[in-house]
Amino acid sequence: NAGVMQNPRHLVRRRGQEARLRCSPMKGHSHVYWYRQLPEEGLKFMVYLQKENIIDESGMPKERFSAEFPKEGPSILRIQQVVRGDSAAYFCASSPGRDFLRYTFGSGTRLTVV
Amino acid sequence: GQQLNQSPQSMFIQEGEDVSMNCTSSSIFNTWLWYKQDPGEGPVLLIALYKAGELTSNGRLTAQFGTTRKDSFLNISASIPSDVGIYFCAGHPFSGTGNQFYFGTGTSLTVIP
Repeated sequence: NAGVMQNPRHLVRRRGQEARLRCSPMKGHSHVYWYRQLPEEGLKFMVYLQKENIIDESGMPKERFSAEFPKEGPSILRIQQVVRGDSAAYFCASSPGRDFLRYTFGSGTRLTVV
Repeated sequence: GQQLNQSPQSMFIQEGEDVSMNCTSSSIFNTWLWYKQDPGEGPVLLIALYKAGELTSNGRLTAQFGTTRKDSFLNISASIPSDVGIYFCAGHPFSGTGNQFYFGTGTSLTVIP
């Protein structure tokens, strides 16, 4: 039973390019969360999605960032026109519902903007 | 947003020593979680706490949900080299909606063999 799969593991983008981060939740999990971790800091919540719906995007920057979780396929976190401050580790977690014990994180995507 | 402060920020200890770390919040939480993060990996859940005053163990790890609901503590007994990593507290606020957690700033643990 595969865990939460994130790809790519590492992503390098030049300023102004777009970054697309993918997250495939665990089998049977329909809730997906994205968190951002800046160097030497804790994780900060960005967005919570269920299939085809954004439930809570209160942690998402208002501009350049968007997320989706389509009926088929992985969840995508998209960052347009990246800037150096977007460099961070982006983690996805999934759960089958409101069960904290089954909230499982992926290994993250490390985005570096040069 | 919610603020969770962890202390200490880092610890360097000898193998076999016990470790204590804590986490405090500015508001009441109804769930506390402790995670461990290895380099290059995502956090892995160690212990979950649901009630004020609750004391829960997982092997050599023991965590407590503070009676004020604004703090939590993690103890590791008889540390071993594989305990190295960053330990994060996380909480779900009492007044929170949705399923997000707020994370602390982390305690980096180094165990010297």
